[in-house]
Amino acid sequence: SAVISQKPSRDICQRGTSLTIQCQVDSQVTMMFWYRQQPGQSLTLIATANQGSEATYESGFVIDKFPISRPNLTFSTLTVSNMSPEDSSIYLCSVSTLGAQETQYFGPGTRLLVL
Amino acid sequence: TQLLEQSPQFLSIQEGENLTVYCNSSSVFSSLQWYRQEPGEGPVLLVTVVTGGEVKKLKRLTFQFGDARKDSSLHITAAQTGDTGLYLCAGGAYNTDKLIFGTGTRLQVFP
Repeated sequence: SAVISQKPSRDICQRGTSLTIQCQVDSQVTMMFWYRQQPGQSLTLIATANQGSEATYESGFVIDKFPISRPNLTFSTLTVSNMSPEDSSIYLCSVSTLGAQETQYFGPGTRLLVL
Repeated sequence: TQLLEQSPQFLSIQEGENLTVYCNSSSVFSSLQWYRQEPGEGPVLLVTVVTGGEVKKLKRLTFQFGDARKDSSLHITAAQTGDTGLYLCAGGAYNTDKLIFGTGTRLQVFP
């Protein structure tokens, strides 16, 4: 399985500001995904990060609020823009590999608190 | 919209007891994964099942994928305090690489 790291691990931000979260994988992967997990809840998919092209967003999530980059096969960023307290959540990246697309491996998550 | 309902939502038991967590849907999935998530960490994959009716055992954990590929169960024998965590099932959607996550079951095992 891939080893995935995320930066920052946690942050406290003021409303109206933006935060960029990084996801780094130790090997090339096929797919990268970004999820949100609100306190005590399950995971909700925000978008699929596509290498070299625009991310594919799920219903309820838009590029202006959650711009995503994926410049290569091992790295992606998620920005939470113009934050409000409702954005307080855990943000997780996950990856899957060619030949095992049904299985995803997760990073440790970024815990965001917006005041 | 594909939904995966897990039951029970919360489970609090003593060490040594057995338990079963259920994951149900009206949709058919290509695969089914189970994850465990501990506080402050990301979900960790426990198992992937891909064949209807498949049963997999991982030490004290037994996973079953329903014949119709719409449901799954996780049975833990002789629970230990280290089993405490949030258990999540996730279904693989056909023709996509996306996973649909269940509602989650929070397990607390007391010594």
